[in-house]
Amino acid sequence: GENVEQHPSTLSVQEGDSAVIKCTYSDSASNYFPWYKQELGKRPQLIIDIRSNVGEKKDQRIAVTLNKTAKHFSLHITETQPEDSAVYFCAASKGLRGYSTLTFGKGTMLLVSP
Amino acid sequence: SQTIHQWPATLVQPVGSPLSLECTVEGTSNPNLYWYRQAAGRGLQLLFYSVGIGQISSEVPQNLSASRPQDRQFILSSKKLLLSDSGFYLCAWSVQGTYEQYFGPGTRLTVT
Repeated sequence: GENVEQHPSTLSVQEGDSAVIKCTYSDSASNYFPWYKQELGKRPQLIIDIRSNVGEKKDQRIAVTLNKTAKHFSLHITETQPEDSAVYFCAASKGLRGYSTLTFGKGTMLLVSP
Repeated sequence: SQTIHQWPATLVQPVGSPLSLECTVEGTSNPNLYWYRQAAGRGLQLLFYSVGIGQISSEVPQNLSASRPQDRQFILSSKKLLLSDSGFYLCAWSVQGTYEQYFGPGTRLTVT
């Protein structure tokens, strides 16, 4: 089955700096890669995703890049703010017959200091 | 718009007791439904998914079971809880034919 590795496990940055979180996956058939943000005690929220036919996707201060050959993808957050502090999870999935089963990384705790 | 509900929000149960967690989705028809478990400080593990009424697929063998008695209702059950069943249980849904999954508010289960 799919295996997703996520690094680093914790990341501390100063407000205004950039943050990068990296994930690798094992199954070359995976074709969908979402990122979730989870604040303490809350549900994970989908913040951005990318399909395997795209190399990069941006949404304001966040972007995701995908390297299919190397089987890794990354989340980039620019101009970080204290409200970006949360645990971020990457996931990988093979979309099959109209549904997807996600395999998650273990998460990265991002701390943004004012 | 679509809304997903889970109850109860928190639950404390003794070892060996039964369990029933409920998830319902509003504002959509024939969704894909998923149950995940998140242990303290860990990632999310897919437990079950369903693409239609009565259709359940299990990802991890354990003492839990799932059922989908109605189109927008997904239930997670256990006959006898173990200490290792403690965790944050999250239900998620997606539109048929799409990949994006959206999570419910979760149930925090503590087995004592």
